[in-house]
Formats: sequence, structure tokens, C-alpha cells
Amino acid sequence: DAGVTQSPTHLIKTRGQQVTLRCSPKSGHDTVSWYQQALGQGPQFIFQYYEEEERQRGNFPDRFSGHQFPNYSSELNVNALLLGDSALYLCASSVNRVAAFFGQGTRLTVV
Amino acid sequence: AQKVTQAQTEISVVEKEDVTLDCVYETRDTTYYLFWYKQPPSGELVFLIRRNSFDEQNEISGRYSWNFQKSTSSFNFTITASQVVDSAVYFCALSEDISNFGNEKLTFGTGTRLTIIP
Repeated sequence: DAGVTQSPTHLIKTRGQQVTLRCSPKSGHDTVSWYQQALGQGPQFIFQYYEEEERQRGNFPDRFSGHQFPNYSSELNVNALLLGDSALYLCASSVNRVAAFFGQGTRLTVV
Repeated sequence: AQKVTQAQTEISVVEKEDVTLDCVYETRDTTYYLFWYKQPPSGELVFLIRRNSFDEQNEISGRYSWNFQKSTSSFNFTITASQVVDSAVYFCALSEDISNFGNEKLTFGTGTRLTIIP
């Protein structure tokens, strides 16, 4: 049984560009959450998707958007990249309020 | 607003010593959940434990144990007879109760980097 998988694992982008990160949840999980982890910090909640809708959102600007597909997989899109967007982006999946299981993350570097 | 404080930024102990990682939380909710996650160098957050606010029983799982004290808003984690493989960053997290649907939004502490010296 595959766990949470994220792609790509590493990414380098230029300021002002747009990026899309992808997440496949653990089998049987219907809820996907995204977190941003800056170097040396704890993860910060970006948003959560359930039934293809954004259900909760953290304190992130509208440049951060997402989508959930019928198969429960999800994408995180970031527009107009800033240097400060450089971080590890973690996807977590869960079901029925069971604790979230995380993927290995996508390390995004903005230059 | 919810807040989690892990005052210990880094801890180093010699292998086989016991070590306790501290976690203090703030919330106005009466129902909430507390978590510990381990983050090895690979980056993935590994789930260790989830407790709800009504269950103050201490828990032991092998060499790991957790002490939840509501009176002091603390949820401390102890590793007994530490091993080199325990070296990682450990995060404490808190979530509110979501009654209607879905799943917890986690508020994390800043983490404690634990190094076990062989």
C-alpha cells in the first residue's frame, strides 16, 4: 500500500514564475492538506481539500491555490513566485479524522 | 488562537540515555487533539501519536512514552534508552475539533532537533 506520494521531489524556479506541485493521497484517504515548511521552522497550514472543495485555509495569500480531483489527488499552485516562497511543501492525507499521514515533500527553491 | 511552544531548539544526548522533549500548548477549545511527529533528514513527517483532550492517560509504546498534563497544558515526549536512529527533528502539534466534516488542521511547534551521540 503506497503512502502519500508527492512530485516532483525538488524544483528550482525563477522569481515571478508559476509552479504546480502534485500529491497522491494514501489509498482510502479522501482529504488532502498542504503545508509549507520554511527552513528551521515547523510546517504552516496552507489549505485543505475535501470532496473537491477547499474546506479550510490558513494565512496565505491568494497566489496560493489548489485543486482536488475526483480520485482525491491534489495540486498546489503558486503564482508570481517570491524568494520567500522557497520552502519544503508537504502534503498530508487523512480520512474520518484519523491523524494525517505526510508525504516526503517537494523542496521548492526560488532564485 | 492556537499556539504550540517547543522551547528546546536542540538537544544532544549520548546513546542509551533517556531524553524528554517538552511541548506546551495554548488553545481556547475544550476539545482538541495533540500530536507528535518525527522528521528524519528525508523530510517526511512520521506520525507518532495522537491524543484527544479528554484522555489524560499517559501512553507507552516501546521506548516511547508521552505525558499529557492538562493542568499545565503540556504534552511531553520521552525516549528511553535512546538510539542513534532516534536522531531527527521532533514536532509537537495541536488541532481543534472539527465536528462537521473532515480532518484536523494542525498547528505545529518549531520543533526540537535531537541528536543521539554514539
